[in-house]
Amino acid sequence: SQQGEEDPQALSIQEGENATMNCSYKTSINNLQWYRQNSGRGLVHLILIRSNEREKHSGRLRVTLDTSKKSSSLLITASRAADTASYFCATDGDYKLSFGAGTTVTVRA
Amino acid sequence: GAGVSQSPSNKVTEKGKDVELRCDPISGHTALYWYRQSLGQGLEFLIYFQGNSAPDKSGLPSDRFSAERTGGSVSTLTIQRTQQEDSAVYLCASSSTETQYFGPGTRLLVL
Repeated sequence: SQQGEEDPQALSIQEGENATMNCSYKTSINNLQWYRQNSGRGLVHLILIRSNEREKHSGRLRVTLDTSKKSSSLLITASRAADTASYFCATDGDYKLSFGAGTTVTVRA
Repeated sequence: GAGVSQSPSNKVTEKGKDVELRCDPISGHTALYWYRQSLGQGLEFLIYFQGNSAPDKSGLPSDRFSAERTGGSVSTLTIQRTQQEDSAVYLCASSSTETQYFGPGTRLLVL
């Protein structure tokens, strides 16, 4: 069963703009992770934020976590064509990750 | 270093046939996962192996699905008597920490 749900389902932006997507989840977590998937193939880990953290940065990525609202956001700044992909949040449940259906981001040149 | 590899990349089979999908995890990773992703959907957990412990098979959708992990390394996912609804991308991941490293997947099409 999916715990994380991403919003919006799809996002189209111009190169150079910022892209923001959100993830909501239902139960308590130890950490939340964001993954990227290109062309429906393997997922690439982007960033992990722990339940006691509120914000984390990695390059052009900024992730926030609000455990009181059970939500997280992923911000991609200064988007590039190569950022075109599907983005998934994943919450941990013991050893399993529960993935949402993802946000498809298209960056237009 | 080498990542997770999967074979074949693509598999087309006829309904009713058996298929075997292979996963080579990253060396030293004790945890191995199989997921299934239908078109436009998120990942559906199938099975989890951790070291020598009994695998967690709670995500397998039916008894036509089975998986093995030999010697704590290579894993094979077997689907018997394939059905059209089995068509999906099957992803394998391995880990040694909370982060999972994914293979490129096997795209299965059942005609």
